[in-house]
Amino acid sequence: GAVVSQHPSRVICKSGTSVKIECRSLDFQATTMFWYRQFPKKSLMLMATSNEGSKATYEQGVEKDKFLINHASLTLSTLTVTSAHPEDSSFYICSASWGTGTQTQYFGPGTRLLVL
Amino acid sequence: AQSVTQLDSQVPVFEEAPVELRCNYSSSVSVYLFWYVQYPNQGLQLLLKYLSGSTLVESINGFEAEFNKSQTSFHLRKPSVHISDTAEYFCAVTPRGFQKLVFGTGTRLLVSP
Repeated sequence: GAVVSQHPSRVICKSGTSVKIECRSLDFQATTMFWYRQFPKKSLMLMATSNEGSKATYEQGVEKDKFLINHASLTLSTLTVTSAHPEDSSFYICSASWGTGTQTQYFGPGTRLLVL
Repeated sequence: AQSVTQLDSQVPVFEEAPVELRCNYSSSVSVYLFWYVQYPNQGLQLLLKYLSGSTLVESINGFEAEFNKSQTSFHLRKPSVHISDTAEYFCAVTPRGFQKLVFGTGTRLLVSP
């Protein structure tokens, strides 16, 4: 149980275009979803937290207009990288959790974005 | 605020040898503690967690970790590693009552024959 999927697993785009990444909880309802960015050989950096039906809460230094997050349902959250540039190239990972008592996050397999 | 320190960026070890991956944390409040494993080009998988109760927690694949409050540590151990254990291991904490995970920088475990 507690499976989280991401689509696409890998995407290459031209500079200036927008890219949408989907994160789905397959066998549970995710009240909260998280988006992380992982730089090569570095740890995960939390970008934002989203609760279903609410606006996402962004971490300091993350541009909300550049990284649009939508959590439209209890099983789907999307991250849209708008007007992507080469410096946005990274590994983006989502996670999901449910309920108010548990603190366990279940992670998706990640999406590797390459902006040319 | 919380922080996590993983002292070793890389730990090479021979197959069937024991291993310990170190994790220390800093927090002014009580925390939950986690170990996640990341295989190449994959997302993170939960290995084990400490929420409350017994300070020694175990995973299904032979890893264990012990919460030591006085030393603010949560070291991960395995008595005999396999080649398939080669991966990146992340220690993480979150304050009780919150869901914001703070990760360490990771330790790459390299198991060789």
